[in-house]
Amino acid sequence: DQQVKQNSPSLSVQEGRISILNCDYTNSMFDYFLWYKKYPAEGPTFLISISSIKDKNEDGRFTVFLNKSAKHLSLHIVPSQPGDSAVYFCAALHSGTYKYIFGTGTRLKVLA
Amino acid sequence: KAGVTQTPRYLIKTRGQQVTLSCSPISGHRSVSWYQQTPGQGLQFLFEYFSETQRNKGNFPGRFSGRQFSNSRSEMNVSTLELGDSALYLCASSLGGTGSGTEAFFGQGTRLTVV
Repeated sequence: DQQVKQNSPSLSVQEGRISILNCDYTNSMFDYFLWYKKYPAEGPTFLISISSIKDKNEDGRFTVFLNKSAKHLSLHIVPSQPGDSAVYFCAALHSGTYKYIFGTGTRLKVLA
Repeated sequence: KAGVTQTPRYLIKTRGQQVTLSCSPISGHRSVSWYQQTPGQGLQFLFEYFSETQRNKGNFPGRFSGRQFSNSRSEMNVSTLELGDSALYLCASSLGGTGSGTEAFFGQGTRLTVV
């Protein structure tokens, strides 16, 4: 029962263009969503988060959009840089459960 | 401000042995969570501790256990190791509240190999 899904295992984008990573969830009780970036053999690095009461949060080149009716969130990276190449995980939290549910990740490759 | 520290970074054990992994959270963080990452499986939640109390537990067998000390440091133990336990074990710390401050920050992980 995969409550958080990242249906694209990989994505390639040209440097300077926009990267859009998608995430779908099934549990309407999730009230907080986060994106993490992970390099091999390292722990995930927190990127950006969004509360379920908002539909957009922006931090520099990273913007997260939340569509609650569609149970969908996306991470936009503009402009994409080669250093952004990594695996990106979305995670959802139902505050009362104290546990994050992670998607299986999308490997982003930014081509120079 | 020091990040989340996990020790050891790498570990090789044989089947049937037991192992203890350690996690020191960010200073001031009272919540510590543990995750297992295997190829293609993403991060699977093991358990979460807050102020020495386990608040939630994932769907792992009883061979996986943990505890948290009064200084918020946490240990995870796996007994009777199986080959399938080979994975990257990640510890995350957070303030433990709700909404803002809920962000979890991860350590580098412990790579466990069972042979």
